[in-house]
Amino acid sequence: AQKVTQAQTEISVVEKEDVTLDCVYETRDTTYYLFWYKQPPSGELVFLIRRNSFDEQNEISGRYSWNFQKSTSSFNFTITASQVVDSAVYFCALSGGGNTGKLIFGQGTTLQVKP
Amino acid sequence: DVKVTQSSRYLVKRTGEKVFLECVQDMDHENMFWYRQDPGLGLRLIYFSYDVKMKEKGDIPEGYSVSREKKERFSLILESASTNQTSMYLCASMRQLTRPSSNQPQHFGDGTRLSIL
Repeated sequence: AQKVTQAQTEISVVEKEDVTLDCVYETRDTTYYLFWYKQPPSGELVFLIRRNSFDEQNEISGRYSWNFQKSTSSFNFTITASQVVDSAVYFCALSGGGNTGKLIFGQGTTLQVKP
Repeated sequence: DVKVTQSSRYLVKRTGEKVFLECVQDMDHENMFWYRQDPGLGLRLIYFSYDVKMKEKGDIPEGYSVSREKKERFSLILESASTNQTSMYLCASMRQLTRPSSNQPQHFGDGTRLSIL
């Protein structure tokens, strides 16, 4: 069975702090895809990144970076120098092989960045 | 930019009513999805569709049905609403380019917060 676990329910930091959101996944597929989405208070989920199971390179995009480690089945997300606008719910999701694109979501981590 | 539009942001209905949630996407995407979001549970897939008139059950289909008569529109139906269906409902669409297409991101609507009294 496929499963995504985001153990951190809520995180609160002060602006400019770095913060890491954890994501651990389970799958028996050899080909799979991992995603991070952001859900601001407005409600719409915004796609941030996808990573396939054959690409373990870390990725950096501005203040955001992602660390994918197959050995520990983790796909962690770090925000450097957090800002108030980063306050949102963040979801990690897993998609297995096949052509349906079905996503298995983690429980979500609520990040609050205080000024 | 992909636009996924859900017909209502907030909806209040009564127990036993038949409820329709509508979703329209403007990018000619093949795949469409309905999720519900509950605190501590993340998003759970109710139904999805990969073509007109085609549908498949997700993880929690009980009490729901769907309709996809046109490619751009995917409707979620609560046959007889119950209080445990009070939730946030999110619609998404995704382009199916190649097989497998699991690497394509889904695009989400703003969500409908449904309350069943």
